Amino acid sequence: GQNIDQPTEMTATEGAIVQINCTYQTSGFNGLFWYQQHAGEAPTFLSYNVLDGLEEKGRFSSFLSRSKGYSYLLLKELQMKDSASYLCSQGDNAGNMLTFGGGTRLMVKP
Amino acid sequence: GAVVSQHPSWVICKSGTSVKIECRSLDFQATTMFWYRQFPKQSLMLMATSNEGSKATYEQGVEKDKFLINHASLTLSTLTVTSAHPEDSSFYICSAMTGLETQYFGPGTRLLVL
Repeated sequence: GQNIDQPTEMTATEGAIVQINCTYQTSGFNGLFWYQQHAGEAPTFLSYNVLDGLEEKGRFSSFLSRSKGYSYLLLKELQMKDSASYLCSQGDNAGNMLTFGGGTRLMVKP
Repeated sequence: GAVVSQHPSWVICKSGTSVKIECRSLDFQATTMFWYRQFPKQSLMLMATSNEGSKATYEQGVEKDKFLINHASLTLSTLTVTSAHPEDSSFYICSAMTGLETQYFGPGTRLLVL
């Protein structure tokens, strides 16, 4: 199986920057996804990394290091609406099935 | 962007009855759809992978006779919870792949079994 580890909870201040880390097993790797999920809603796609490096998309950036089995999601200029769970998930090489980490619950405070 | 819908969004049923949940890709053809289940404050758990025209592949621990999945067309997959019981109460989410790597999620169906 694939073990994905990410912190359970994080707290940050509005306007600040927060980095959510994720580690995964490198075997059978086929892409690393980040999803945002607000309470009671389905996840929404944030980013997909398959090559090493940082990909920036507005206030959100995602980083991947395949050799280290490590990724992070960087959120800049935090807004209250960014309070949500952030799910790190890994695709495998057998049909792109996703395995999710436990999610990181981010609380943004004024 | 790709849109996936689910119906119904909310369902309450009596114990012992069966409930069908539909998952549709509205503007693309999805050769593969996935069904997930989520308990409160927990991560998504993959239940099964559904490929159009073939039998679904179930994850370990998921009863295929209880959770019937049909993927009759490239835009529709259904999940039927048979003889539902209170422990089946959960948030069921489907997702669909466009053929690229990204999965697009439906809005989810909240099932409450009384």
